[in-house]
Amino acid sequence: DVKVTQSSRYLVKRTGEKVFLECVQDMDHENMFWYRQDPGLGLRLIYFSYDVKMKEKGDIPEGYSVSREKKERFSLILESASTNQTSMYLCASSRDRGTGELFFGEGSRLTVL
Amino acid sequence: GIQVEQSPPDLILQEGANSTLRCNFSDSVNNLQWFHQNPWGQLINLFYIPSGTKQNGRLSATTVATERYSLLYISSSQTTDSGVYFCAVPIKAAGNKLTFGGGTRVLVKP
Repeated sequence: DVKVTQSSRYLVKRTGEKVFLECVQDMDHENMFWYRQDPGLGLRLIYFSYDVKMKEKGDIPEGYSVSREKKERFSLILESASTNQTSMYLCASSRDRGTGELFFGEGSRLTVL
Repeated sequence: GIQVEQSPPDLILQEGANSTLRCNFSDSVNNLQWFHQNPWGQLINLFYIPSGTKQNGRLSATTVATERYSLLYISSSQTTDSGVYFCAVPIKAAGNKLTFGGGTRVLVKP
């Protein structure tokens, strides 16, 4: 079975802190994605990556950056957390560009005070 | 961009009842996924279904790509079926990133 693991289920941070959300997948997938989910707004794509060291902006990249130094790991970085970044963050991966099936991690619920 | 609409937005069921959830999409797609989001927030893959019908236990799904809709059937519902059900379609030109429907929130009462 595909396993996508997110480093933290629950985080509480203060405004201005730098926040790292880590995601690791164990199936050698090429594509990895970060979404955030908010009530009434659904799931929105922040960033995605086709390959190591490659990244593409999604629909709402402002205030975020990403890092993909290894194929299995995709990190989401909040350089200076703000209260409007309080959300559920979901990481996902898929095998290759020709296969759309996406597998999600358990999610990381971030609260910024 | 492609639009994905789900109906109904909310569904309350008595345990043991059957139900049908619908997903309409505005453009032709090469695939479609159904997910169940559990109360803890995790999205669980249910079906990956470009066309035709698939079954997995009490759940089944049918996609009619030519008519741009998919149906998810829940039979003999159980309280563990509660949660939000999402359909999503990949945008091929964008590395198969998914466009999600708004979800159907299902509550199964004992």
